[in-house]
Amino acid sequence: SQTIHQWPATLVQPVGSPLSLECTVEGTSNPNLYWYRQAAGRGLQLLFYSVGIGQISSEVPQNLSASRPQDRQFILSSKKLLLSDSGFYLCAWSPRDFQNTGELFFGEGSRLTVL
Amino acid sequence: GNSVTQMEGPVTLSEEAFLTINCTYTATGYPSLFWYVQYPGEGLQLLLKATKADDKGSNKGFEATYRKETTSFHLEKGSVQVSDSAVYFCALRNPYRGSNYKLTFGKGTLLTVNP
Repeated sequence: SQTIHQWPATLVQPVGSPLSLECTVEGTSNPNLYWYRQAAGRGLQLLFYSVGIGQISSEVPQNLSASRPQDRQFILSSKKLLLSDSGFYLCAWSPRDFQNTGELFFGEGSRLTVL
Repeated sequence: GNSVTQMEGPVTLSEEAFLTINCTYTATGYPSLFWYVQYPGEGLQLLLKATKADDKGSNKGFEATYRKETTSFHLEKGSVQVSDSAVYFCALRNPYRGSNYKLTFGKGTLLTVNP
């Protein structure tokens, strides 16, 4: 069966510090991968998605970047965090036939607090 | 562009009460529609879906009907339980203009069911 892991689960970082959140998927090949941010009162916002190694699509201009160095690994990064980067970050994957199923499978999330 | 509007929460109900969470959408073409649920401290998981007009999605006693004429996909349950307490997200997938890989989510509605 497929599983998705993301870490760390909780992170408290000072403003201006770097960020690295990691997500890995097991039990499947060539998944589509996604990073979403969930901010209080603002719902779920798609940040990045990737349909293959090295292929990253950015949905919103911001202080964050994403990389996909391996087929089942997706990393969210920042060189200098801002207060506004605080939130709950969710990694998700979908199978290649997402066009037919439309289902995303989510990790348990990483809560980032920037102080 | 695509957008999803959900009723503002929070919604507080007593056990065995009837639940309705309203969801309307804006999209070009023929989107697929979804309800996801997020239990406390967890990531999101698919609750139900409908891929064309007049389809009814159902799962765990929840139902939603795809109404193209009113661009709506309201979530209903006849008798809620304490274990239904969660955040509910309405979402759409629109294959039009390169949006095929993405889900657009509403802001979420927090449901609390009291015994």
